[in-house]
Amino acid sequence: EVQLVDSGGGLVKPGGSLRLSCAASGFTFSSYGMNWVRQAPGKGLEWVSSISSSSSHIYYADSVKGRFTISRDNAKNSLFLQMNSLRAEDTAVYYCARVFEFRGPVDYWGQGTLVTVSS
Amino acid sequence: DIQMTQSPSSLSASVGDRVTITCRASQSISIYLNWYQQKPGKAPNLLIYAASSLQSGVPSRFRGSGSGTDFTLTISSLQPEDFATYYCQQSYITPSITFGQGTRLEIK
Repeated sequence: EVQLVDSGGGLVKPGGSLRLSCAASGFTFSSYGMNWVRQAPGKGLEWVSSISSSSSHIYYADSVKGRFTISRDNAKNSLFLQMNSLRAEDTAVYYCARVFEFRGPVDYWGQGTLVTVSS
Repeated sequence: DIQMTQSPSSLSASVGDRVTITCRASQSISIYLNWYQQKPGKAPNLLIYAASSLQSGVPSRFRGSGSGTDFTLTISSLQPEDFATYYCQQSYITPSITFGQGTRLEIK
């Protein structure tokens, strides 16, 4: 069974940092591209960042470029999101999400981890 | 970026009703359109991919159609567990996938 387990969220002050993790199991993690998608309270879904299976291709939404860093450890079946210089507008539930294939859907999601940026 | 616009934003319906949600892309996305269902406090769940393919385990009352810029999600006979928020998402331009704003389906 495919499982994605998100962790690392919490309350942080504006300008602070946080590192999110996603533990993957039940599939060959090193074969899939992975995304982070977020959802602000009461709002819709927003793509944040993507990383290819071998980490050779990495992309960010303009809203987080220069502040967030995505990475993965295929040996440990783990995905990460390092978030620096956090702002109030980064407050959201962050989901780890598996991309099925090129131009394919997100077929599996983590349960989400809440990041709250507030003083 | 491709903009995705769903309509309506909210919808009230009764168990047994047939409902249709539409999604329009700001440019042609061929058939690279996916639909998700999200219940409160839960992650989204994939229903339909490539415009009309039913994800494994999803009931056949869910049907997707369309290509190019205009797409629809139809639920043929609403069940109590179908009341949720539905999102469309384009995967034509990757990796910057974009979602519609959501359609909240409520019980009348």
